[in-house]
Amino acid sequence: EPEVTQTPSHQVTQMGQEVILRCVPISNHLYFYWYRQILGQKVEFLVSFYNNEISEKSEIFDDQFSVERPDGSNFTLKIRSTKLEDSAMYFCASSWGPLNTEAFFGQGTRLTVV
Amino acid sequence: KQEVTQIPAALSVPEGENLVLNCSFTDSAIYNLQWFRQDPGKGLTSLLLIQSSQREQTSGRLNASLDKSSGRSTLYIAASQPGDSATYLCAVRGMYSGGGADGLTFGKGTHLIIQP
Repeated sequence: EPEVTQTPSHQVTQMGQEVILRCVPISNHLYFYWYRQILGQKVEFLVSFYNNEISEKSEIFDDQFSVERPDGSNFTLKIRSTKLEDSAMYFCASSWGPLNTEAFFGQGTRLTVV
Repeated sequence: KQEVTQIPAALSVPEGENLVLNCSFTDSAIYNLQWFRQDPGKGLTSLLLIQSSQREQTSGRLNASLDKSSGRSTLYIAASQPGDSATYLCAVRGMYSGGGADGLTFGKGTHLIIQP
């Protein structure tokens, strides 16, 4: 069964360092998303991406964050200068269509900023 | 701004019981509602998607209902098993653009424990 794949599963980084989280969405999907979940809190939407551009972003997704689809299969989230409060589980999701279609999530990358 | 609330926050029942998890949302202008399962430290597994025009969806022992006008959904689990132990999340996709409306708005979840 097709699935969304995320790497790495766990990343530890020092405050101020740049990190790139990687995702391989389901192959025929066209819409891609990043979410995050701080420990003990709700899953929160960060950004949606379609046709090689951001279609929507939340107030969390500030200038420290960027997304890219560098090739036909990968979708990345970059955090330019990590802060302690960026520590969270980051989930990538994809769907074949827009707003009324089912979203499929990856297993997540646990980011720990020390 | 859409808010999603799930009750109860936690539930522990003996194996074999039928149970109901509740989800409410403040803005009824939604495209759909999706139920997920999350195991500890793991990702989200999609269980059921209900479109705004639908009243319910079924998958195996799971049945989800939607009452859009009252802003409520329930997830019914029949004949619960220890393997059903997980956190169940409800999420809605709102109709209005802007402010992150493309994304799903999640509840905090119901932590379910099925005792053998």
